[in-house]
Amino acid sequence: GAVVSQHPSWVICKSGTSVKIECRSLDFQATTMFWYRQFPKQSLMLMATSNEGSKATYEQGVEKDKFLINHASLTLSTLTVTSAHPEDSSFYICSARDHSPTGRLNEQFFGPGTRLTVL
Amino acid sequence: GENVEQHPSTLSVQEGDSAVIKCTYSDSASNYFPWYKQELGKRPQLIIDIRSNVGEKKDQRIAVTLNKTAKHFSLHITETQPEDSAVYFCASSTGTASKLTFGTGTRLQVTL
Repeated sequence: GAVVSQHPSWVICKSGTSVKIECRSLDFQATTMFWYRQFPKQSLMLMATSNEGSKATYEQGVEKDKFLINHASLTLSTLTVTSAHPEDSSFYICSARDHSPTGRLNEQFFGPGTRLTVL
Repeated sequence: GENVEQHPSTLSVQEGDSAVIKCTYSDSASNYFPWYKQELGKRPQLIIDIRSNVGEKKDQRIAVTLNKTAKHFSLHITETQPEDSAVYFCASSTGTASKLTFGTGTRLQVTL
């Protein structure tokens, strides 16, 4: 149980284009999902908290107009990198919390990540 | 906000030896402390976690200790094996926001 998928697993795009990444909780409902960015040989940095049915909460220094987050259902959150540039190239990872009575408090389940390369 | 420091950044041990990784946190309200193992290009995998009402937790070769007074927690791996080689991250979160703050990571190399 508690499986989170991401799509695509990797994407290469030209500078200036927009890229959408999907994060799905496959066997549980997630009212809260998180988006992280990880540069090579660095730690995971939280970008934003995605809340189902409401606006995402962005961390300091993360441009909300550049990284659009939509969490329209209890199993799907999307991150759109708008007008991507080479400096946006990174490993993007989502995670989700299981809010059900059987879910462990605080535990997050991570997706497999999406490697974005902007040329 | 929360700040998590992790040491060492790299650790090399011989197979069969023990490995210890230490983290300190700044927010006294933090109450959940997971440890993750991440292999290159893969997702972080939860290997053990501890909550603030417990001082120690063990799962086979892996153990975690928590000192709330000093605000630090440690990961202990005994009888290390080559497949333990990976990057390990500690993290912390508080009960309400649940967002994780990660440490900087420790690259563990287990040599034969």
